[in-house]
Order: sequence, then structure tokens, then C-alpha cells
Amino acid sequence: QGQVVESGGGVVQPGRSLRLSCAASGFTSSNYAFHWVRQAPDKGLEWVAVISNDGSKTDYADSVKGRFIVFRDDSKNMLYLQMNSLRPEDTAVYHCARVRDKGNSWFNWFDPWGQGTLVIVSS
Amino acid sequence: DIVMTQSPGSLAVSLGERATINCKSSQSVLYNSNNKNYLAWYQQKPGQPPKVVIYWASTRESGVPDRFSGSGSGTDFTLTISSLQAEDVAVYYCLQYYSTPMTFGQGTRLEIK
Repeated sequence: QGQVVESGGGVVQPGRSLRLSCAASGFTSSNYAFHWVRQAPDKGLEWVAVISNDGSKTDYADSVKGRFIVFRDDSKNMLYLQMNSLRPEDTAVYHCARVRDKGNSWFNWFDPWGQGTLVIVSS
Repeated sequence: DIVMTQSPGSLAVSLGERATINCKSSQSVLYNSNNKNYLAWYQQKPGQPPKVVIYWASTRESGVPDRFSGSGSGTDFTLTISSLQAEDVAVYYCLQYYSTPMTFGQGTRLEIK
């Protein structure tokens, strides 16, 4: 089954940048697409971004498009979310989630998920 | 974007009774070429990431008790817990993975009456 573990969260001022990492283990990361999903405190789940298994395709929620970049380094079994021009409304727990099925499609449900890393954007 | 509308927002059910949660999508999530509904249900308990209970709208995840079932097609879906147990207390979300942006329902908080 494998697992994913996020890191890199913290407190950051509005307008600054932060990079989140997601370490994949127990499977060959290059076989899978990955998503980022966030959850603001006491709120619901919001899809943020996706990257294809080979890294050639990405897509983003409108709320982060032009500010966030998702990329991967499969030689290290790592995924990343580069977050720029952060806003207070970006405050959330950020989860990395693998798609269930191998292959070049990201139209698949998310499993497993990581525990998440908390990002707080505040002055 | 596909809007997922869940109902009710919260639900209190007695132990051993049936719980039903609904999810309606603003457009069909049935992919005609493979006849699959791109709809999953997740259970989230406090301090934990979501856990999949149902995918392809009606396929129960391995290890999930058979009191959980999913039904529906096209735009209307239901998650049913046939006999509520204490450990089922959680927030439940539907997810459409038919198109990006992938979208979740707003969640249904399930409690014991």
C-alpha cells in the first residue's frame, strides 16, 4: 500500500513563500499521479493541485493558479508544493494524496493520504 | 466546475439504526466508455486524514465493514450505513474525480442520537 508523509508547514507572513514536501515510501512513486488537498481549520476539503505520474502535466484549483507550483523528483521519491504569494485564506492543513491506481491518469480516487502539514499565513 | 452538494449537513442517528447521506453532482460523473461513476466517499475522524470507504460509487474499500454501502449513478448518490456503530461517528465527504478541478461535498457530520 505504501505511505506518504508531508513536511514543511509553518507560520509565514502574507506575500511570502513556502515549500511543502511529500515523501513517498513503500511503492514506486513514478508509477502514480499525486494530488494536494487542503483543509482550513474546521472546514471541509478543498482540492488544490495534481501532477501526473511522469510530471509532464499539472493542474490547479483557480484559487491557487499562478501562485502554487507542484513538481516531483522521483529519484528521491518526493513531491513538492511550492506556494508563493501566500494569503491568509491559504491557512490550512495540506495533505498529499496518491491516486489508487498506477498509470498515466489522475482521474482516480485518493489513497493513501498523508497526515498533513499545517500552514498558517499570518502577520 | 462540478459542484457536489451533500445533504444533510449533520445527522444524528441512534445506535443500530440506518444512516443515509446524499450527494448530488451538478453534472453527470458517469463515464460512458467504461460505465463507471467517478465518485468516492470518505470518512474523516478528528485529527486524521480522510479514509476512503467507497469508490466507483458502490465498491466498498477492502476492510470496510459491510454495513457501509454506496449507490446511485449519474448525478445522484447515496452512502448508507445500515446499522450505525459508535465507531462510525465522523464527517463524511463525497468526492468526484471525473474532472478537474476535483471537488468534494461540503461534508456531513454524523453523530449518535
